[in-house]
Amino acid sequence: NAGVTQTPKFQVLKTGQSMTLQCAQDMNHNSMYWYRQDPGMGLRLIYYSASEGTTDKGEVPNGYNVSRLNKREFSLRLESAAPSQTSVYFCASSDLTGIRETQYFGPGTRLLVL
Amino acid sequence: GQQVMQIPQYQHVQEGEDFTTYCNSSTTLSNIQWYKQRPGGHPVFLIQLVKSGEVKKQKRLTFQFGEAKKNSSLHITATQTTDVGTYFCAGPNAGNNRKLIWGLGTSLAVNP
Repeated sequence: NAGVTQTPKFQVLKTGQSMTLQCAQDMNHNSMYWYRQDPGMGLRLIYYSASEGTTDKGEVPNGYNVSRLNKREFSLRLESAAPSQTSVYFCASSDLTGIRETQYFGPGTRLLVL
Repeated sequence: GQQVMQIPQYQHVQEGEDFTTYCNSSTTLSNIQWYKQRPGGHPVFLIQLVKSGEVKKQKRLTFQFGEAKKNSSLHITATQTTDVGTYFCAGPNAGNNRKLIWGLGTSLAVNP
């Protein structure tokens, strides 16, 4: 069981370039999430997917798009990167069984936009 | 909007001292979760509290959920260098329990 995997681990982009961050989970979870983490800002939700085929905006969706390709995979796309998108991006998954709502996080992608 | 506040933002202790972080929600929570993030790492689930007044222990860590289910605390007894990291609390969004509302975290530094 790999849990939640993310690729790439690190990325440097120039302003205006595009890229896709990949996330996959092997825990058969229904819900998946993308967060960004900036110093002093905690974890901010970008988008989430409650189940395969559905996606919804979080707190900070502007400049991002997502695709829930199947139950395992949830990708985050930056169409035209901006320096303000320099951050650490975490993917997470959870399975709402009863009241238990634990989120399992991937190792993160560290993105620098120049 | 719904908020979860954590204090203090930072805490620096000598190894062996105790440490407490507090979490306060603007709304009643159905449950509260605690996560730990080591420097350079990702958040890792520690515990979930569900019942009013609940107290749970994990070795040197004691977690409490307030009677009104609006506040919580994490207390570490006799800190060790392995306790270094940022501790986050999070509770379900009142309008959509698939989303969590996160506190900003308390960063703990431990001097050996």
